[in-house]
Amino acid sequence: DSGVTQTPKHLITATGQRVTLRCSPRSGDLSVYWYQQSLDQGLQFLIQYYNGEERAKGNILERFSAQQFPDLHSELNLSSLELGDSALYFCASSVSLDASGNTIYFGEGSWLTVV
Amino acid sequence: AQKVTQAQTEISVVEKEDVTLDCVYETRDTTYYLFWYKQPPSGELVFLIRRNSFDEQNEISGRYSWNFQKSTSSFNFTITASQVVDSAVYFCALSEANSGNTPLVFGKGTRLSVIA
Repeated sequence: DSGVTQTPKHLITATGQRVTLRCSPRSGDLSVYWYQQSLDQGLQFLIQYYNGEERAKGNILERFSAQQFPDLHSELNLSSLELGDSALYFCASSVSLDASGNTIYFGEGSWLTVV
Repeated sequence: AQKVTQAQTEISVVEKEDVTLDCVYETRDTTYYLFWYKQPPSGELVFLIRRNSFDEQNEISGRYSWNFQKSTSSFNFTITASQVVDSAVYFCALSEANSGNTPLVFGKGTRLSVIA
């Protein structure tokens, strides 16, 4: 158990809909990262938050947004869903802002299926 | 730009065989970190090891060992006496000290199947 908690574990929704994925980081971790894992693209970095502020942005679509709340949990909002958004979405956390000097622990992921 | 290549897409071995998973990386930074993660069939990503660019000493943890060679930009992972429970997808990842917008870059992964 990594200590990173993600909900829901599985989600099936229709195209055009909006979903919210939730993440609670490990106790004491201030950085939260979101990654998308799809069959064709592999593991892709989406976005990072540190202590409530956005700190790094990857290949995140404009239809996607995220935030980190004062209690440090984070939510990833996916809207106008398309079939291609079906993927495993990971949340990860680490102690500090700089990912390179820290171990990043991943949650179990949220499986999103868009039908 | 940082890049990680895992040339082996799939490997299949018989239980108790040794197996090495290759990882080659590209970076312009002199300070960087390399990681290995395991993704079993259940889907979670499990951290295995982190190594910084200034520490080329090989590491052994039980049946797992890692060989870091800066001269060839490789960070290979060996499982000795493989077991069925080792069946998983293994990812190598890189994080540069000045990582800019991508904290952790992953390779495509190597799917290891250990057959009883």
